[in-house]
Amino acid sequence: EAAVTQSPRNKVTVTGGNVTLSCRQTNSHNYMYWYRQDTGHGLRLIHYSYGAGNLQIGDVPDGYKATRTTQEDFFLLLELASPSQTSLYFCASSDADWGVYEQYFGPGTRLTVL
Amino acid sequence: GEKVEQHESTLSVREGDSAVINCTYTDTASSYFPWYKQEAGKSLHFVIDIRSNVDRKQSQRLIVLLDKKAKRFSLHITATQPEDSAIYFCAASRTSSGQKLVFGQGTILKVYL
Repeated sequence: EAAVTQSPRNKVTVTGGNVTLSCRQTNSHNYMYWYRQDTGHGLRLIHYSYGAGNLQIGDVPDGYKATRTTQEDFFLLLELASPSQTSLYFCASSDADWGVYEQYFGPGTRLTVL
Repeated sequence: GEKVEQHESTLSVREGDSAVINCTYTDTASSYFPWYKQEAGKSLHFVIDIRSNVDRKQSQRLIVLLDKKAKRFSLHITATQPEDSAIYFCAASRTSSGQKLVFGQGTILKVYL
């Protein structure tokens, strides 16, 4: 079973604050993703990556940066957090190159921006 | 860009009956359509998918139908059980490998006794 972990699980910050969300997967998957989940919108893709040093833009990238430092680790950075970024954030991984199309999701990070 | 609409926001069915969740998409180039389940307070996990080269796929009590002409796909859960209660998300992707998923808004399925 693929394992994806996220930290922190909960985070509260203030408007203008600097936040880093971390994700680690231990299954040597090539692809990693960051999503946000909001009621009425389902999940929306923020950024994704297909390997260390690679970054691809998702559908709602504004206000977010991401960095993939290793095959295992993918970070989401909010440098000037705003209340509109209050959301539930999920990281996921997959290995489409080897026919593993399903995405494995982490437990989520609930972020509140006051 | 692609838009995926999930038509039922909430669905209630009696245990043992079938549940059907319908989704439509806008991009004719979409070719991969997975479904994910999110139980209360938990993360999402994959349940079933279908590719554009087939119009029906079954895995145990789950059936997915794809109508490319209508740009519509649906999840059928037969003989529902209480543990089927969850939020179900449909998604679509232009890439055959399933990256860049566009999700629907989610359907809350409640199975009552």
